[in-house]
Amino acid sequence: DAGVTQSPTHLIKTRGQQVTLRCSPISGHKSVSWYQQVLGQGPQFIFQYYEKEERGRGNFPDRFSARQFPNYSSELNVNALLLGDSALYLCASSLADYSGNTIYFGEGSWLTVV
Amino acid sequence: AQTVTQSQPEMSVQEAETVTLSCTYDTSENNYYLFWYKQPPSRQMILVIRQEAYKQQNATENRFSVNFQKAAKSFSLKISDSQLGDTAMYFCAFMKPDGNQFYFGTGTSLTVIP
Repeated sequence: DAGVTQSPTHLIKTRGQQVTLRCSPISGHKSVSWYQQVLGQGPQFIFQYYEKEERGRGNFPDRFSARQFPNYSSELNVNALLLGDSALYLCASSLADYSGNTIYFGEGSWLTVV
Repeated sequence: AQTVTQSQPEMSVQEAETVTLSCTYDTSENNYYLFWYKQPPSRQMILVIRQEAYKQQNATENRFSVNFQKAAKSFSLKISDSQLGDTAMYFCAFMKPDGNQFYFGTGTSLTVIP
């Protein structure tokens, strides 16, 4: 079975532009979470979606938004990109939205803002 | 608010030796989960070991074991018989039982020396 897949793996954007990152969870997983990992730091929680509803939001500005589709895949959108948005964006999936389940991470999308 | 502290930015160990990575956390919760994740150069977060706070017995997974001290809010990871493939960043993480949001520490970079 395929693991958590993310696309694109690397991308470069210019300040002020918009970016969309995509995540396909493991088959059967209904919960998807997004994390931002700035170089040299631990991942920071951005969003969690379960059954297409937002279940949690971290301390990120409104420029960050996300959604989950009927097939449980998810997109993370970031508008008006800043240099500080340069980071590895990780997607994680699990069967349900409580922490008794094992959570699996994808390999991430590297975003560089220039 | 939950915080996770890893006070050792970098560590090294000789192959086949034992090393202990430290982690402390702060929470007002009584029930929660604690994790150690490994992040190799591929950047994919891989679960090493998990501990439920209500369990007094320390979790073990092959060469990996933890020393969980709930009163002291300490959660250290011991790696026995270190292997070259253990070289990676190691993140300690906390999760409340009612959500899928991880709180990660800043990580410890472990190098296994041949």
